[in-house]
Amino acid sequence: TQLLEQSPQFLSIQEGENLTVYCNSSSVFSSLQWYRQEPGEGPVLLVTVVTGGEVKKLKRLTFQFGDARKDSSLHITAAQPGDTGLYLCAGAWSGGSNYKLTFGKGTLLTVNP
Amino acid sequence: EAGVAQSPRYKIIEKRQSVAFWCNPISGHATLYWYQQILGQGPKLLIQFQNNGVVDDSQLPKDRFSAERLKGVDSTLKIQPAKLEDSAVYLCASSLEGWASDEQYFGPGTRLTVT
Repeated sequence: TQLLEQSPQFLSIQEGENLTVYCNSSSVFSSLQWYRQEPGEGPVLLVTVVTGGEVKKLKRLTFQFGDARKDSSLHITAAQPGDTGLYLCAGAWSGGSNYKLTFGKGTLLTVNP
Repeated sequence: EAGVAQSPRYKIIEKRQSVAFWCNPISGHATLYWYQQILGQGPKLLIQFQNNGVVDDSQLPKDRFSAERLKGVDSTLKIQPAKLEDSAVYLCASSLEGWASDEQYFGPGTRLTVT
């Protein structure tokens, strides 16, 4: 069974601080996505990464895909209360199904004003 | 562009009762997904449809859960009979083609409470 682990599970910070959350697997991903979910809503896609070592930026969010494609990180600079939400990574494993996406348990981020 | 629509938004039932959820995906999306999200966890795929055929239902508890996608558009998910552990948010999502790297568009979910 392939597992996708996210850490930390919970994170509470003050506005203006920086933070990093992680997504790890013992298996190689063919692609990996990050979603953000706000209370009472469905997840919304932030980014998709497919190439080892890839770095993508979305305003204050920086996404990295590990060289070996087994891990990814999401870094937020100068967090704002609007960044509060559940951050989910979701991956498809190399050599597995091309259509099956598995979600991690998520990191629940709270940014206090 | 209209998003994924789901109804009802909330449902409270007693154990052993039955319940049905409805989903209308984004127009033109071939793939439709039903996920179960238990509090504190990420979404777990229950069933994936490509047009009106089932691609994956390996995690669907088939003794009590059923789903159909009529004419490759709308879909319903039914639970009969419900158990306490079925309390969760049921999310419907759709994507254009169904590849794992495709963007999935989620509806707001139906929050089910089984008492």
